[in-house]
Amino acid sequence: NAGVTQTPKFQVLKTGQSMTLQCAQDMNHEYMSWYRQDPGMGLRLIHYSVGAGITDQGEVPNGYNVSRSTTEDFPLRLLSAAPSQTSVYFCASSYGGTDFYEQYFGPGTRLTVT
Amino acid sequence: LAKTTQPISMDSYEGQEVNITCSHNNIATNDYITWYQQFPSQGPRFIIQGYKTKVTNEVASLFIPADRKSSTLSLPRVSLSDTAVYYCLVGDNTNTGNQFYFGTGTSLTVIP
Repeated sequence: NAGVTQTPKFQVLKTGQSMTLQCAQDMNHEYMSWYRQDPGMGLRLIHYSVGAGITDQGEVPNGYNVSRSTTEDFPLRLLSAAPSQTSVYFCASSYGGTDFYEQYFGPGTRLTVT
Repeated sequence: LAKTTQPISMDSYEGQEVNITCSHNNIATNDYITWYQQFPSQGPRFIIQGYKTKVTNEVASLFIPADRKSSTLSLPRVSLSDTAVYYCLVGDNTNTGNQFYFGTGTSLTVIP
């Protein structure tokens, strides 16, 4: 299994540009989520999904959109990039039930908005 | 959702046992307690989870008192490779609350 994969690893955007961060998992996990991590801080939940076709907002959803058309993929869209969105983005997945707590994280995407 | 409080940083010598305590005074009945480890430039990695009393796996032990308002992660005989940030999370996976909240974590430095 490849686990959780994220692309790209690095990205530089100009203010106002849009882009999609890709996340895929091959473990048939129901639950997927996106976090951002700013320097010296913990992770903050952006959006999450409990299954295909179901998404919900986390702690910091503004400026981001998600969709979940398949179990495997959970892309994160930045609609109009702002310097405040400069961060490292992590995707995670897990099974439901009590296995929900054992989340598998991807390697991260480091995004810089100038 | 219950918030957590952990020490910002800790130092330990190689070979010692390290105990990191997390406070979660507002823990709810359905909440589980989970600990993650994060190395620089990597995503967090699950270490251990528990609901009450004591849980042990090949990496760590988790001690949870009866009132569940705190928990202690115990790392036996740490090595330099255990230098990382450790996060305590409290949450539930009910239909209305499939969310985790990471705090700032505890930065553990293991000294030779």
